[in-house]
Amino acid sequence: LAKTTQPISMDSYEGQEVNITCSHNNIATNDYITWYQQFPSQGPRFIIQGYKTKVTNEVASLFIPADRKSSTLSLPRVSLSDTAVYYCLLTNAGKSTFGDGTTLTVKP
Amino acid sequence: EPEVTQTPSHQVTQMGQEVILRCVPISNHLYFYWYRQILGQKVEFLVSFYNNEISEKSEIFDDQFSVERPDGSNFTLKIRSTKLEDSAMYFCASRGTGGMNTEAFFGQGTRLTVV
Repeated sequence: LAKTTQPISMDSYEGQEVNITCSHNNIATNDYITWYQQFPSQGPRFIIQGYKTKVTNEVASLFIPADRKSSTLSLPRVSLSDTAVYYCLLTNAGKSTFGDGTTLTVKP
Repeated sequence: EPEVTQTPSHQVTQMGQEVILRCVPISNHLYFYWYRQILGQKVEFLVSFYNNEISEKSEIFDDQFSVERPDGSNFTLKIRSTKLEDSAMYFCASRGTGGMNTEAFFGQGTRLTVV
């Protein structure tokens, strides 16, 4: 599976919108882009998944440009409880390879 | 909301002992996975399981590891002779029937400590 690259860490403040961008230059035709959230000592929790264009659910939006070489996870109005590690994955035939993730710290 | 359940939450074992980590996937799911996460490191894929057989495994999943779905509800990971470096969080995940790229649901993990 192609490698993904994310910023190691990001800081934000409560109430702000946070955008985390992931690069996946070698994405394959059959790869889906999936984002997970992980709190310390817990299992990863699914946030959102998409193939192209824009996907929105009750917690986040995912923007994927036409070339699919990157994607951006958008978290509207973050709170302190959104402090976690966010992983961008490429998923193909069920297998997911986790990268290093982005540690988001939300400050009051 | 259905969830993946893992037991025990924490297991301490002596080096060289066998351990079995247990998982109950979401009931109508067909694809099952084990991942591990060494403290402070990223989540690593171990093995995927479908239709009662291993569909893919990583280089970590050597002969010391085995998986089984003994009774149609449980999904187990056995480590035959534990080593200190097997200490990690082990996560089970399952995925449903909506296609090969539907999201996987993870359990809360088992923290394995080998002493």
